[in-house]
Amino acid sequence: DTGVSQDPRHKITKRGQNVTFRCDPISEHNRLYWYRQTLGQGPEFLTYFQNEAQLEKSRLLSDRFSAERPKGSFSTLEIQRTEQGDSAMYLCASSSVTGLSSYEQYFGPGTRLTVT
Amino acid sequence: TQLLEQSPQFLSIQEGENLTVYCNSSSVFSSLQWYRQEPGEGPVLLVTVVTGGEVKKLKRLTFQFGDARKDSSLHITAAQPGDTGLYLCAGEANSGYALNFGKGTSLLVTP
Repeated sequence: DTGVSQDPRHKITKRGQNVTFRCDPISEHNRLYWYRQTLGQGPEFLTYFQNEAQLEKSRLLSDRFSAERPKGSFSTLEIQRTEQGDSAMYLCASSSVTGLSSYEQYFGPGTRLTVT
Repeated sequence: TQLLEQSPQFLSIQEGENLTVYCNSSSVFSSLQWYRQEPGEGPVLLVTVVTGGEVKKLKRLTFQFGDARKDSSLHITAAQPGDTGLYLCAGEANSGYALNFGKGTSLLVTP
């Protein structure tokens, strides 16, 4: 399977703990995006990378959140000092800026975070 | 943020019926994508429309992009229980950048 993969699929943590999620994009895709989705809402943009460069961050990405894509391949999203309001589905997507389909983003299965 | 309004929010129909869901905005998008999402899973891309007035068909699903590239519709013919899911539209102001999503239309098709 060459789709976007995310790990873990589910994470339960206590308030105040740090968590880290991983995303492996489609191998030939150079753009990688993070979104957050809460119940009853569509996904909301958090940040995106082109290769290893982080090009845009949403105001939703507070200073407790940090994302990296050190070698332009997989990415990690870390949340420090988790709060109950961080409970959500964290989605990763990837796309390619070359070719005719540069606007098509393909999503992974998501990581469901529950903060207790 | 460019807002996308989807309607209806919920739709429950019987197998075999036709339906249309709408995605509207006051903003112009360079492209618009439709996704279908099942509980606990990520959105799955159904179609991308780019040109104003464009119509695309995917089996029983017909997608249309408005002439002004501000709105779109999804029509399903002879709905089946397998069509059940959350249908999301997402607009892209500029190619390759963040998608702005609507809240989705939750469709339930009963046998």
